[in-house]
Amino acid sequence: DAMVIQNPRYQVTQFGKPVTLSCSQTLNHNVMYWYQQKSSQAPKLLFHYYDKDFNNEADTPDNFQSRRPNTSFCFLDIRSPGLGDAAMYLCATSRAAGGLGEKLFFGSGTQLSVL
Amino acid sequence: GEDVEQSLFLSVREGDSSVINCTYTDSSSTYLYWYKQEPGAGLQLLTYIFSNMDMKQDQRLTVLLNKKDKHLSLRIADTQTGDSAIYFCAESRTSGTYKYIFGTGTRLKVLA
Repeated sequence: DAMVIQNPRYQVTQFGKPVTLSCSQTLNHNVMYWYQQKSSQAPKLLFHYYDKDFNNEADTPDNFQSRRPNTSFCFLDIRSPGLGDAAMYLCATSRAAGGLGEKLFFGSGTQLSVL
Repeated sequence: GEDVEQSLFLSVREGDSSVINCTYTDSSSTYLYWYKQEPGAGLQLLTYIFSNMDMKQDQRLTVLLNKKDKHLSLRIADTQTGDSAIYFCAESRTSGTYKYIFGTGTRLKVLA
């Protein structure tokens, strides 16, 4: 019973060709996050939505955008992927704010390759 | 600073105990977490501890927190081959931020 579902599992794109990764959740959680994880590194938060409020991390490149059309779905758009954007992209959800001990629920991730 | 640091690798024999360590820098951290990541998968929450606690036990898992030294550890008793994975510690803070700061991860290898 997958609760946070990411599609596709593997995505190959060409240098400079826009790509969209998707995430859906059945938990009805308020907060959805996108993390970038490169090999042997910690997940790095790109941005998150609290309901419809978008919160971008200061060091997230403009090349990365996100959309959340409804509670269940969230998309990560990479406008012009570069070789350095090849990574695992993890979607996560939480019921509310992290400071209150809220747990993160992760999807299985999308492994992005850029050729 | 926001650094959360962990040693990169740990190797143990099946049946032994594993101890994975983590140090963090922000004294305002309220909750500290341990997540497990199996190859090619997302992170799965194992356990967490509130900052006013020293220890928490959950079956084979024991979390110890030394708030003075900003040191967190995860002990896995009777380690099994299925415990082989990367373990991340993470902290969250009281400021209302939704930001979890993850450590660099410790790759645990269990030898049969």
